[in-house]
Amino acid sequence: DTGVSQNPRHKITKRGQNVTFRCDPISEHNRLYWYRQTLGQGPEFLTYFQNEAQLEKSRLLSDRFSAERPKGSFSTLEIQRTEQGDSAMYLCASSGGREGGGYTFGSGTRLTVV
Amino acid sequence: AQTVTQSQPEMSVQEAETVTLSCTYDTSESNYYLFWYKQPPSRQMILVIRQEAYKQQNATENRFSVNFQKAAKSFSLKISDSQLGDTAMYFCAFMKTILTGGGNKLTFGTGTQLKVEL
Repeated sequence: DTGVSQNPRHKITKRGQNVTFRCDPISEHNRLYWYRQTLGQGPEFLTYFQNEAQLEKSRLLSDRFSAERPKGSFSTLEIQRTEQGDSAMYLCASSGGREGGGYTFGSGTRLTVV
Repeated sequence: AQTVTQSQPEMSVQEAETVTLSCTYDTSESNYYLFWYKQPPSRQMILVIRQEAYKQQNATENRFSVNFQKAAKSFSLKISDSQLGDTAMYFCAFMKTILTGGGNKLTFGTGTQLKVEL
């Protein structure tokens, strides 16, 4: 197992287009998280899954954002009708669900909306 | 809502010296977890150290240690014998317990950019 994998690493898209990112967590981890990080800021929580169930969504996650984790394995984050304000690094992380356990992060997908 | 404050946007230290990064947080919870994460340039975020709030003893991991002051809501990171590879952005983070609805969700500070110089 090589850790948490995110694809693509970089994505440039025109405003109004839809984009989808993929995250493959560590296989034995049942929790998966999505965070967004803008320049000069710490990561901000977007949503998380326990197995295939999406248990919490941030108010940051507008109706244009949707995340799925079919069969409790990989996850996808889709942004519809992208806006320039969506430009950010999108981080995925997974954990084993141990109370207070740390995450393993992926390298992120950097989205640029032009 | 919990907040995490890192008041030092940038710091520098000479190689082999010791540096302390500050972090304060605000919460009404009595039990929680605190973390320091390291984010090297263009690389993924890595867990440096973890502290459980109900433990009095400060956590240590090799050259990294924390000074956890629960009453003051302070959680500073000390890096001893600094190395060039320690150059990175360091984030302090807070996590509520599952019993208080935390869901293992992290709240991050804005980060401190540390540069280790020769």
